[in-house]
Amino acid sequence: TQLLEQSPQFLSIQEGENLTVYCNSSSVFSSLQWYRQEPGEGPVLLVTVVTGGEVKKLKRLTFQFGDARKDSSLHITAAQPGDTGLYLCAGVRGNTPLVFGKGTRLSVIA
Amino acid sequence: DTGVSQDPRHKITKRGQNVTFRCDPISEHNRLYWYRQTLGQGPEFLTYFQNEAQLEKSRLLSDRFSAERPKGSFSTLEIQRTEQGDSAMYLCASSQRTGIGYEQYFGPGTRLTVT
Repeated sequence: TQLLEQSPQFLSIQEGENLTVYCNSSSVFSSLQWYRQEPGEGPVLLVTVVTGGEVKKLKRLTFQFGDARKDSSLHITAAQPGDTGLYLCAGVRGNTPLVFGKGTRLSVIA
Repeated sequence: DTGVSQDPRHKITKRGQNVTFRCDPISEHNRLYWYRQTLGQGPEFLTYFQNEAQLEKSRLLSDRFSAERPKGSFSTLEIQRTEQGDSAMYLCASSQRTGIGYEQYFGPGTRLTVT
């Protein structure tokens, strides 16, 4: 059983479209991190959310942490080909190691 | 470049051989982590160090795997008697405590192929 479920697994959209990807769990996390990973490279940290209901913006990316700190979403406005990649969410519970979801593979077509 | 570095980037080995990977963390980071990632999966935790102390090991880390961080700086991950199932990307990350906990920064990974 995957502790963090990400959906959708795959997403292919046209440049300029908006999209939302989700990260869900039945467990409560003290914080949640989003990463983007390109083929053959390590994940790059995008943001950390800590407080229930928190919203953080990074240019065209908006991250939200659920009120109960069990889920999170990533919304991308006006997607560009440079947004293509694997988006991973990872949760922290106390002193336990970071737990990753399987990721959403996004392809933005010009 | 002051990011996390890993060496080698790629390693092809024959089944039964031993391999060793190196990770150099961001210099001021006291925590260092090793993960394994296979195709279609997110990274899976293997082990982590705080300074030179190995604080936790995953059940994924069989007896054939050993990790060290002798002086609390760089770390090595050794796999003995490699098996085809060991083929994966091995990722290293480092972190230090900030106001929002430990944010991990990853290196580029070492891609291992066991033939």
